[in-house]
Amino acid sequence: QKEVEQNSGPLSVPEGAIASLNCTYSDRGSQSFFWYRQYSGKSPELIMSIYSNGDKEDGRFTAQLNKASQYVSLLIRDSQPSESATYLCAVKRSGYALNFGKGTSLLVTP
Amino acid sequence: DAEITQSPRHKITETGRQVTLACHQTWNHNNMFWYRQDLGHGLRLIHYSYGVHDTNKGEVSDGYSVSRSNTEDLPLTLESAASSQTSVYFCASSPGTGATEAFFGQGTRLTVV
Repeated sequence: QKEVEQNSGPLSVPEGAIASLNCTYSDRGSQSFFWYRQYSGKSPELIMSIYSNGDKEDGRFTAQLNKASQYVSLLIRDSQPSESATYLCAVKRSGYALNFGKGTSLLVTP
Repeated sequence: DAEITQSPRHKITETGRQVTLACHQTWNHNNMFWYRQDLGHGLRLIHYSYGVHDTNKGEVSDGYSVSRSNTEDLPLTLESAASSQTSVYFCASSPGTGATEAFFGQGTRLTVV
């Protein structure tokens, strides 16, 4: 079983809509969770981190964590075409290395 | 500005040759990581280091080695390049205790022919 699971997509949303990206993880002891954005041909860029159950908001981004359900999500409000990219969910392993999902491709259409 | 840089950005090598990919960070981060990224597999951890002279194997370490002689650098060596090692390689670093956000270099696209 893959430790971090994401739907590969593509997830298509119209410009201005809310994009909802989801991630599940298998290690119940995981403590730290991250969302990265990766444009084609570029390196992953950190968007948000979340460590506690509940919601964490940063501008148009909201990360949600539910440790009981082993579920992490990222909401992007007012999505823009320039945010079309692959979104990677990452979970901290024991130690400091991150375990990544395969990513969800997001397409925001004008 | 502090940063993390990889070199070369692109490399073509022949099967059987030894190849070294460089990673240099100026953040003074304790932790450094090497990942490879392939279609269908996502980012997979090759090796990692939590400090000078510390190195550890990740999930896909066969055929790769690293050494950490200072805080700034973690070079990745392919001992005898194989076609299966054609990939995009990313180096990343994170501060250490406490904050665990990792920051990535620009990547190296390696082709083994």
